[in-house]
Formats: sequence, structure tokens, C-alpha cells
Amino acid sequence: QLQLQESGPGLVKPSETLALTCTVSGGSIGSDYYWAWIRQSPGKGLDWIGSIYHSGSTYYKSSLKSRVTISVDTSKSQFSLKLFSVTAADTGLYYCARLPVYQRAFDIWGHGATVTVSS
Amino acid sequence: DIQMTQSPSTLSASVGDRVTVTCRASQTINNWLAWYQQKPGKAPKLLIYQASSLQSGVPSRFSGSGSGTEFTLTITSLQPDDFATYYCHHYNSYTGTFGQGTKVAV
Repeated sequence: QLQLQESGPGLVKPSETLALTCTVSGGSIGSDYYWAWIRQSPGKGLDWIGSIYHSGSTYYKSSLKSRVTISVDTSKSQFSLKLFSVTAADTGLYYCARLPVYQRAFDIWGHGATVTVSS
Repeated sequence: DIQMTQSPSTLSASVGDRVTVTCRASQTINNWLAWYQQKPGKAPKLLIYQASSLQSGVPSRFSGSGSGTEFTLTITSLQPDDFATYYCHHYNSYTGTFGQGTKVAV
């Protein structure tokens, strides 16, 4: 059964770069799926950050486009998020998730990684 | 960008009630609408995709309907395990948008 697991630093200083990796186990980063990052600020709703196709094509939320990069390493079954120049507003729970193209819905989620932006 | 607006934000209900949550899109999205359930401290769980298709393993008391710009999630007989927050979600090839959530509480 395919599982996703987020990993990365839980504390990031303001103006620095948030970097998270999602490791796919029990399967591979294959075609017919988008792989995405979604975040949730404390007590708030879900916020799509961006997605990557197995080919490497990327799609980002327009308001974050200048600060975000998502990449994929199919050989390691991992995809990664980098969010630059973070502020306290970037504090939250970061999820990675899979989206089958035919469903256009996130069917598998990681447990989430908490990231706090603070000096 | 497409905006997704859910109503109500909070819904008070009792076990056995029929519950309905509405989601409106700012422009037509055909049937590319999904519903998720999220409980505190847990990742969201997919319930419905393509507006009305039930995800494998999800109880049949959950159903979705609608197309175009207006969509509905219905729980026919609310169970204790169903008290949670529900989100609608639209995704096309280029962007994804969630509704703000509906909390179903006692």
C-alpha cells in the first residue's frame, strides 16, 4: 500500500528557506499522477501550494509562485518543496499528497510535517 | 483564480440527522469537485471525487451531487464518527483551490 512521509526541519528562521521532502513508499512516482504540497495554518483551512507531474512539469499557487520550487527525484521516489524568504505567516502543517489524473482529487496524504517560522 | 465558497461555516447536528453542505465555484468547473473529511490532528480523507463518485471504502451514507458551479455533500444519517470538518476542492491541471471548510459539530 502506497504511503507518503514528509521530512525536514521543524524550525526555520525568518527570511530563510523552508525545505521539505516527501518520500513515497510501497510504490513509485509514476505517470498518471500529480504529486502535491498542501499546507494548513494553525486553526485554518487547507491551502494548495503546488504540484509536480512525474515528467517534472510544475504548477504553483499564483500568490506563492515567486517563492516556491517543487522538484522530483524519481530514482529516490521523492519529491521536494522549497519555500524561500519565509515569514511567520508560513508557519503551519505541511502535507504531501498524491492526485490521480483521472480523479483530480488527493487520494493519499502524508501525516503532515509541522514547520514553525521563528527566530 | 477560481474561488470555492462553502456554506455554512459551522453546522450543528445530531446523530441520525441528514446533513447537507454546499460548495459554490466562482466559475464553471464541470464536475471536477472533490470532498474531504478532516478530523483534528489528522490528514484529510477523500470522500467524493468528480462531484458524485464515492471513494473506495467510504460509507454509502456519504453522497455528492452537482455540476457547473454548485455542488452538495450529503450525509444521510449522521454517525458519531462523522463529526469533523469537511472541505470541497477543485483541481484542474494548473491549480487547486479548497473551500474554507464546514465544521459539523454537536
